[in-house]
Amino acid sequence: GAGVSQSPSNKVTEKGKDVELRCDPISGHTALYWYRQSLGQGLEFLIYFQGNSAPDKSGLPSDRFSAERTGGSVSTLTIQRTQQEDSAVYLCASRLQGTSGSPSTDTQYFGPGTRLTVL
Amino acid sequence: DQQVKQNSPSLSVQEGRISILNCDYTNSMFDYFLWYKKYPAEGPTFLISISSIKDKNEDGRFTVFLNKSAKHLSLHIVPSQPGDSAVYFCAASGAWGQNFVFGPGTRLSVLP
Repeated sequence: GAGVSQSPSNKVTEKGKDVELRCDPISGHTALYWYRQSLGQGLEFLIYFQGNSAPDKSGLPSDRFSAERTGGSVSTLTIQRTQQEDSAVYLCASRLQGTSGSPSTDTQYFGPGTRLTVL
Repeated sequence: DQQVKQNSPSLSVQEGRISILNCDYTNSMFDYFLWYKKYPAEGPTFLISISSIKDKNEDGRFTVFLNKSAKHLSLHIVPSQPGDSAVYFCAASGAWGQNFVFGPGTRLSVLP
């Protein structure tokens, strides 16, 4: 079946512009995560959606970052007034259930990422 | 302050030998630990996991060991194959269902 898809795969933008990154999770997955990976760094957690609960936004680095998940499916990560330090690969992951199961049976499935370059 | 650390940014191993990737964590509330593997231009893929009630979990060539008292886990790959060459991320979670904290990754190169 279809995995997690992200679009665009690459985005080049000028400093100060707004960008929107899209994530289509696996159908039926209730949990959705956004991460980013800067050059030479590990995965940095940004935000986590679980069902209809309020999202965990604790990883968002500034108020320029926001994310929505409409209808419990597609998610959009928006970065306003982009800065050069926002350049990174933005990864989305989805998971079937967020509060039950176990890591071996209910793992995260990652999309291929969106490479964002801010000039 | 990194809660999950992978102190070796890279590791090279000869094909057929054992690869040992290490991970240390600081938060004693972590109960689940996972390893992900990432090829270039792809998202990470789940490899193996362990919960804090166990000290070992094995899946084929991959074994994860957990030492809770030392807050240390390791991934053993034996025998290593060239296709194992990738970046390996260690991740940890508290109660299942929370978000994950990832380490910075270790790049494994398996030489033919």
